[in-house]
Formats: sequence, C-alpha cells, structure tokens
Amino acid sequence: QITLKESGPTLVKPTQTLTLTCTFSGFSLSTSGVGVGWIRQPPGKALEWLALIYWDDDKRYSPSLRSRLTITKDTSKNQVVLTVTNMDPVDTATYYCAPMGLLRSYLAVFDPWGQGTLVTVSS
Amino acid sequence: EIVMTQSPATLSVSPGERATLSCRASQSVRSNLAWYQQKPGQAPRLLLYGASTRATGVPARFSGSGSGTEFTLTISSLQSEDFAVYYCQQNNNWPPITFGQGTRLEIK
Repeated sequence: QITLKESGPTLVKPTQTLTLTCTFSGFSLSTSGVGVGWIRQPPGKALEWLALIYWDDDKRYSPSLRSRLTITKDTSKNQVVLTVTNMDPVDTATYYCAPMGLLRSYLAVFDPWGQGTLVTVSS
Repeated sequence: EIVMTQSPATLSVSPGERATLSCRASQSVRSNLAWYQQKPGQAPRLLLYGASTRATGVPARFSGSGSGTEFTLTISSLQSEDFAVYYCQQNNNWPPITFGQGTRLEIK
C-alpha cells in the first residue's frame, strides 16, 4: 500500500520561507523512472503543479515559480522536501505531494496523492 | 505552456443519467491526458490516464476518449458518489505539467 503525508507549518508570514516535507511508504524513490511531485491548490481554485524530482535527482520546476522553489530528496528516509521562498498571501493553498512513474516509467501522472496540508500566509 | 480548458464549469445531472465532461488542450498532447476526481475535503484521485486507461479500482462506468486537443470523460450512469469536481491534466509537453480549471458535477 502506497501512502504519502505532507508536513510543515500551517501558518507562515509574508516574505518567509516555507519548508514542506513529504514522507512516503510503499514505493522507492531509487527505482528507475519514478519521481515525486508537489502540487498546490488555493482554496476553491484549481490544481497547480509546482515541482518534481526524479529517482536520479533530476529536477523539474514550474517556470513561473522556478526562482522560488527548491526540491530535494532523502531516499534513505523516504522523504521529499519542497522549499518556497518569499511567501505571499497568494501562496495560501493546500500543498499535495504525489508519486509519478509508478504506472509506467517516467509517466507524469500522479497516483496516489497525499492528504495535503493547508498553508496560510498571513502576518 | 499548454493551456487546458474544461467545459462546462458546472454540470447538473440527475442520478442514473449520463454525464459528459470536456477538456481541450491549446495544442496537441497526443493521448497524454489524465483525469482526476476530487471530492470536498479530499485529495484528487486518479481516474484515467493515457486518455482512456482506467486506473486501478475505477469503475467501468468511467470512460475516456479523445486525442490531440479534444478529450471527453463520460460517466455512463451517475451514482451519488460521483458528484465531485473533475480535473484534466496533460503530461505530453512539460514543464509545466498543467491542469484544467475543473468541472463541478452536481446533482440536478
């Protein structure tokens, strides 16, 4: 059974850096073609893909947010970490992590998803 | 960036009836399209990928079709648990991976 859980602060102040951790089980991020991605969803709005890290540490970022995002992994701990710098109230959202490449190597489809964590940006 | 446009924004259908949801890509994504279902307060759940392949455990009443720029998700006979928001996602030309804005399927 594959499970993922996002953890991190629920409230951050504007200009602060957000650090989120995705802890997973049931698959290995050392398997060829597998990756873990981050997706966010502002309240009442659509999904927005942020970043993805592959088994070989290759990384992909949303072009619109690239300058503010960093994704890393700790394979031994089954964790993926996302940092977002210079947080703003518009970054208020539920942040999800999810694996890709499990259905077919390198297939960028996310399944399953973690439960998500709501991050509010406010002073 | 490939823009995904879903229509309609809200669809009202009676239980037992058929629902047809559309997704259009701003340029061809071949068959590299997925559909997700999201219920209130829950994470999205993968329904279909490769435009028409059902994910594990997804009932046969869910089907997908299309390729290139036009895609359809059909739910053949709506059950109460199917009322949710549905998102399409392209994974053909990225980054960025892009999602549609969603279609809310509500009970008529």
